[in-house]
Amino acid sequence: DAGITQSPRHKVTETGTPVTLRCHQTENHRYMYWYRQDPGHGLRLIHYSYGVKDTDKGEVSDGYSVSRSKTEDFLLTLESATSSQTSVYFCATATGTSGGPQEQYFGPGTRLTVT
Amino acid sequence: GQQLNQSPQSMFIQEGEDVSMNCTSSSIFNTWLWYKQEPGEGPVLLIALYKAGELTSNGRLTAQFGITRKDSFLNISASIPSDVGIYFCAGHVQTGTASKLTFGTGTRLQVTL
Repeated sequence: DAGITQSPRHKVTETGTPVTLRCHQTENHRYMYWYRQDPGHGLRLIHYSYGVKDTDKGEVSDGYSVSRSKTEDFLLTLESATSSQTSVYFCATATGTSGGPQEQYFGPGTRLTVT
Repeated sequence: GQQLNQSPQSMFIQEGEDVSMNCTSSSIFNTWLWYKQEPGEGPVLLIALYKAGELTSNGRLTAQFGITRKDSFLNISASIPSDVGIYFCAGHVQTGTASKLTFGTGTRLQVTL
């Protein structure tokens, strides 16, 4: 357990509104990730961060932005929510030590519904 | 994006039976990981494999890193009701600062008494 919390855990929002999801970790892990999980698609990477202010896109990054101003927090923003972004969002962290363990540890998830 | 092929997609077994599932890829991975996810929760790491041919156990779970580095297997012995969940494999790739996992599509396990 890497001490990962996500907030909010559930959210319902309307199409066109901005939404920000927060991931907080207490393990001082270098890497943080945002995934979405949908039936039939498994876990897909949205964005990830390899350090403070260092981020990169994953495979499904359109319509999402991220920010990491400090090691422990990684924010995911849906700039203008659409119904296709209804999903369960998971945050994960990893130590990122070169040549070291590559395990990712997951948070409890945020269920987002866009109406 | 690439996803790993995981089979079977679902399994219905009786308590006490052994379970086998596997994951295959067209790409080579340097690390294979197995996760379990229960309803309403995030995936939980079960086993990590770092060397081709490696066989690793965690209680009743045993996983192997295929010698081609393109596949991995997970076995669960003497299943119990709390084994119910979705099991995901994941392969790790690192290129520079890009350290990413590619996930399988999952095997849903149901255990009947």
